[in-house]
Amino acid sequence: EDQVTQSPEALRLQEGESSSLNCSYTVSGLRGLFWYRQDPGKGPEFLFTLYSAGEEKEKERLKATLTKKESFLHITAPKPEDSATYLCAVGGSNDYKLSFGAGTTVTVRA
Amino acid sequence: DVKVTQSSRYLVKRTGEKVFLECVQDMDHENMFWYRQDPGLGLRLIYFSYDVKMKEKGDIPEGYSVSREKKERFSLILESASTNQTSMYLCASKDPAGPEAFFGQGTRLTVV
Repeated sequence: EDQVTQSPEALRLQEGESSSLNCSYTVSGLRGLFWYRQDPGKGPEFLFTLYSAGEEKEKERLKATLTKKESFLHITAPKPEDSATYLCAVGGSNDYKLSFGAGTTVTVRA
Repeated sequence: DVKVTQSSRYLVKRTGEKVFLECVQDMDHENMFWYRQDPGLGLRLIYFSYDVKMKEKGDIPEGYSVSREKKERFSLILESASTNQTSMYLCASKDPAGPEAFFGQGTRLTVV
């Protein structure tokens, strides 16, 4: 069974204070690792897909990296608008479903 | 842009009621999913459908059923609502050839 564990559960940052979120996973035949952003009361919004170890993707202040066992989401010089819950998911040998972690809630104070 | 629309943002239902949650997508995606999201547990898959009239159980199907009569519409049915089904329900759709799933805005269901 695919498993995804995210840490920490919550992260409070000062504006400009860079940090990283961790996503550890076990999966049978990784088809892709996905990062989503979720604002309160809304559905998850797709950010990145990573397919193989060593791959990196960037979007504004966010950078996602992937190894064979975990992924990191780096937030560089965050702003208050980066406050959200960040979800990690993996797609395994069953191509239809995604297995999600519980998420990391990031709060950025001005 | 892909649009996944859930029929209600907020619902309040009584214990024992039959509840229908509707989801419509406009991108001709074959795959559709229903998840529930609870604090500390993340998103858990209830049911998914890989084509019209096709469905498969996810990780927590008990107490739920689904219907997919048309490609664009996927309905989640709570046969007899219970208080432990109070949750945020999220619908998603996906093109089998593409990597990511696209989510609706969610339905916050409260069963009293």
